[in-house]
Amino acid sequence: GENVEQHPSTLSVQEGDSAVIKCTYSDSASNYFPWYKQELGKGPQLIIDIRSNVGEKKDQRIAVTLNKTAKHFSLHITETQPEDSAVYFCAAREGGNEKLTFGTGTRLTIIP
Amino acid sequence: DTGVSQDPRHKITKRGQNVTFRCDPISEHNRLYWYRQTLGQGPEFLTYFQNEAQLEKSRLLSDRFSAERPKGSFSTLEIQRTEQGDSAMYLCAGAGAGGYTFGSGTRLTVV
Repeated sequence: GENVEQHPSTLSVQEGDSAVIKCTYSDSASNYFPWYKQELGKGPQLIIDIRSNVGEKKDQRIAVTLNKTAKHFSLHITETQPEDSAVYFCAAREGGNEKLTFGTGTRLTIIP
Repeated sequence: DTGVSQDPRHKITKRGQNVTFRCDPISEHNRLYWYRQTLGQGPEFLTYFQNEAQLEKSRLLSDRFSAERPKGSFSTLEIQRTEQGDSAMYLCAGAGAGGYTFGSGTRLTVV
């Protein structure tokens, strides 16, 4: 089955700076890669996703890049703000499969 | 509010007791998923429904666990004879044409 590794586990960034979180996956059949933000006491919230036929996707301050050859994908947050502080999870889904396999999460702290 | 409601938000139960959780997705969600999340980990897949049909179950879903979605709308997850290892956040997610929408989860503590 799919295995997703996520790094770093914790990340502290000065407000206004950029944050990068990286994930690798094991199954080359995976074709959908979402990123979720989870705040305390809440469920994960989808913030951006990318499919395997695209190398990069951007939505305002958030971008995701995908390298299918190396089987890794990254989340980039620019101009970070205090409200970006949360736990971020990457995930991967195999083609024809409904199950998402999640990484272990990155706790992002934005320092004012 | 994501539109996916879970009840209760918190449940404390004694070991050996049965518990049942409920999930109400929005009407457009023909697919419904249950995940379990333990502290410091990402969510782990438990089971998945397409309308009322349960199409996939994880090996994590032991015989003590059962899930239903009787009319293709709300879903219930029951855990029988709870064990301390069942303590976790149980997350429900609905999906239609778009991606998953998670509820806020039910936090189960088995004492």
